[in-house]
Amino acid sequence: KQEVTQIPAALSVPEGENLVLNCSFTDSAIYNLQWFRQDPGKGLTSLLLIQSSQREQTSGRLNASLDKSSGRSTLYIAASQPGDSATYLCAGRYNFNKFYFGSGTKLNVKP
Amino acid sequence: DAGVTQSPTHLIKTRGQQVTLRCSPISGHKSVSWYQQVLGQGPQFIFQYYEKEERGRGNFPDRFSARQFPNYSSELNVNALLLGDSALYLCASRLLPGQGYEQYFGPGTRLTVT
Repeated sequence: KQEVTQIPAALSVPEGENLVLNCSFTDSAIYNLQWFRQDPGKGLTSLLLIQSSQREQTSGRLNASLDKSSGRSTLYIAASQPGDSATYLCAGRYNFNKFYFGSGTKLNVKP
Repeated sequence: DAGVTQSPTHLIKTRGQQVTLRCSPISGHKSVSWYQQVLGQGPQFIFQYYEKEERGRGNFPDRFSARQFPNYSSELNVNALLLGDSALYLCASRLLPGQGYEQYFGPGTRLTVT
């Protein structure tokens, strides 16, 4: 059974700090991994998509990596800002049509 | 271009009732998926539809059903509502169902069952 785990469940950091969010998956036969941001009561905003053949993707202050052999992905946020406060979710695609989400890491960036 | 849209935004139903949720994908997107997100948890996959056919189903009871229309919009139906069906229901669309295509999510429908 495919499982996706995110640790920690919550994280609080001062503004300006660089931080890393972790995502672990149990099955290395992953097709791709996608990171999302979710604001309270809202839908999901896609941040980065990493294909199984890729090692990392970058967008602005965000960098996501994928290591299939260890079953891990990380989302690196540089120079964090209060506007980055949200819940961050990772999701792995394992076959044609199923997507497995972690429970998310709730990030609070303090001014 | 408009993103994925969902209606209604909020809904309150009583146990035993039936509900229909609606989703319109991004223009040109042919694949639609539905997810249930219970408070404090990540979304769980319910269905995927492509070209009006069901292409995948998660571990949900038969009370949950869906369909996709020729214009690629979709409806999710839930019968005999239970308190545990209270959740945020998310719709996502993709250009095509293949693995390389990114999913884009709508704002969700918040269903409360009393």
